[in-house]
Amino acid sequence: EPEVTQTPSHQVTQMGQEVILRCVPISNHLYFYWYRQILGQKVEFLVSFYNNEISEKSEIFDDQFSVERPDGSNFTLKIRSTKLEDSAMYFCASGGLRGQGAQYFGPGTRLLVL
Amino acid sequence: AQSVTQLDSHVSVSEGTPVLLRCNYSSSYSPSLFWYVQHPNKGLQLLLKYTSAATLVKGINGFEAEFKKSETSFHLTKPSAHMSDAAEYFCVVSGAGSARQLTFGSGTQLTVLP
Repeated sequence: EPEVTQTPSHQVTQMGQEVILRCVPISNHLYFYWYRQILGQKVEFLVSFYNNEISEKSEIFDDQFSVERPDGSNFTLKIRSTKLEDSAMYFCASGGLRGQGAQYFGPGTRLLVL
Repeated sequence: AQSVTQLDSHVSVSEGTPVLLRCNYSSSYSPSLFWYVQHPNKGLQLLLKYTSAATLVKGINGFEAEFKKSETSFHLTKPSAHMSDAAEYFCVVSGAGSARQLTFGSGTQLTVLP
């Protein structure tokens, strides 16, 4: 069964450093998403991506964040200058259908900013 | 805007007894609703989805949920709990935009006692 994969599973970085989180969505999906879950808090939407551009983004997704689909398979989230409060589990998701289809999540990348 | 409220942060049942995890939603349109499960140190797995077809939705591992518009509820049930059901469960509503961002509830931690 196809699944979303994410690398790395864990990342530790120093405050102010740039990190890139990588995701390989399910191959025939068209919609891609990033969510995050700060420890003890709800899963929060960050951004959605379709047709090589951002469809929607939340207030969390400020100028320090960017997303890219550099080739036909990878989908990346870049945090330019990490802050302590960026420490969280980051989930990538993909969906095949416009509108009502479900989103399928990867296992997550746990980011720790020191 | 849409939201979900999971009425219980923790539910504890004995193995073999029924499970009921409660969820109420708020939406200004006909929502798509989902239940996801998260086992410890694992990603988010889709249990089931409601997308305006049958109001009683069957999912994986014997779970089902009933969409009740008059009560704005989407409770998750299972007739007989298994030890492997112990996990955190999230009720989720889909947004109205074309990319349908997901809004998560705060989660219900299910404990299954032997």
